[in-house]
Amino acid sequence: TQLLEQSPQFLSIQEGENLTVYCNSSSVFSSLQWYRQEPGEGPVLLVTVVTGGEVKKLKRLTFQFGDARKDSSLHITAAQPGDTGLYLCAGEQTGANNLFFGTGTRLTVIP
Amino acid sequence: GAGVSQSPRYKVAKRGQDVALRCDPISGHVSLFWYQQALGQGPEFLTYFQNEAQLDKSGLPSDRFFAERPEGSVSTLKIQRTQQEDSAVYLCASSFRAGDNSPLHFGNGTRLTVT
Repeated sequence: TQLLEQSPQFLSIQEGENLTVYCNSSSVFSSLQWYRQEPGEGPVLLVTVVTGGEVKKLKRLTFQFGDARKDSSLHITAAQPGDTGLYLCAGEQTGANNLFFGTGTRLTVIP
Repeated sequence: GAGVSQSPRYKVAKRGQDVALRCDPISGHVSLFWYQQALGQGPEFLTYFQNEAQLDKSGLPSDRFFAERPEGSVSTLKIQRTQQEDSAVYLCASSFRAGDNSPLHFGNGTRLTVT
């Protein structure tokens, strides 16, 4: 059972399009992280958000933490083939030792 | 290398065999985590070490799973009497300190296939 549900599960778009990936939960998290994972490799951290309502930008990627700290979104502008991969959100709860990972969104950007 | 190293990269086991998966964390990292990742899914927590102490093993799916980190560095995940449902990628991650949003550094995983 995973606390964080991501949508969509699969996304295939043309190069240059915009997209948004959602990460939702009924639980509150003290922080939320986004990772990208490529085949045969481990997840690589993209960003950490810690404050409700926080927005962080990383080049063409915009991350937002929900006001209630239960959800997050990742928006990619003008997607590139290099953005292809499995995107994972992961939440940390106060007092817990581990990260709870979302179900993942597999993004394919077609040249 | 400077990253988390896992071995073997691939392991094929016959049902009922025992396997041992190794993780070499980044030198000096206090925290070490094991995760299990099924195909196309997000990683699921198995167990957590702070130095040599196993502080949380709540994610281990059965008593066939055992993990250790005897000297606070290298860790081994052992699975006894493997079953087909154990087939997955096993990821190890380490972080410099415990909690406090310390970022996780993942290895490339061991893909276990039980036939």
